[in-house]
Amino acid sequence: DTGVSQNPRHKITKRGQNVTFRCDPISEHNRLYWYRQTLGQGPEFLTYFQNEAQLEKSRLLSDRFSAERPKGSFSTLEIQRTEQGDSAMYLCASSRLAGSYNEQFFGPGTRLTVL
Amino acid sequence: AQKVTQAQTEISVVEKEDVTLDCVYETRDTTYYLFWYKQPPSGELVFLIRRNSFDEQNEISGRYSWNFQKSTSSFNFTITASQVVDSAVYFCALPSEKLVFGKGTKLTVNP
Repeated sequence: DTGVSQNPRHKITKRGQNVTFRCDPISEHNRLYWYRQTLGQGPEFLTYFQNEAQLEKSRLLSDRFSAERPKGSFSTLEIQRTEQGDSAMYLCASSRLAGSYNEQFFGPGTRLTVL
Repeated sequence: AQKVTQAQTEISVVEKEDVTLDCVYETRDTTYYLFWYKQPPSGELVFLIRRNSFDEQNEISGRYSWNFQKSTSSFNFTITASQVVDSAVYFCALPSEKLVFGKGTKLTVNP
């Protein structure tokens, strides 16, 4: 396994701009998750996919956020009209199977700074 | 609702000391799992261990050991003879369809 990869690793943007992040999960992993982590906090769940279907979205995911996994492989997370409160580390994780016993493998994250 | 509490925000020890990281969880599920992750300064979360609610035996892996007590809803993590490389933030997590994390405990091991 090559691991979960995320791009870009860092993104600095001005308030009001749109940003898009990409996550490439471990191949053959059906589940893909997005989390957000702010300083001094644990990761907080945003959304997850089973193949290309988005199965759950957190209340944290406002209308400005959208996530896709068009072919059941990589995923994108877009934030429109960014706000300073969106500054955080955005983490992607994948797991091979459904079920709470399955380990989620995390990528290195994308650190977003909104000026 | 699922909840994980890690009351210790930061711990600082000197190398070779033993250190225990506390984790208390809340769940209505009768069957569940618990995870521990490590987040070193590089930022990438590393999976350490998975335990299920049926197995309350302590687990030891090298210098790491875990004490799971269902009666007190605790899943504590002990590092024996700590090393500088153990410096990281450690998270306890309760998985369902997603992971519910505690706020983490930042461990600093000083030489």
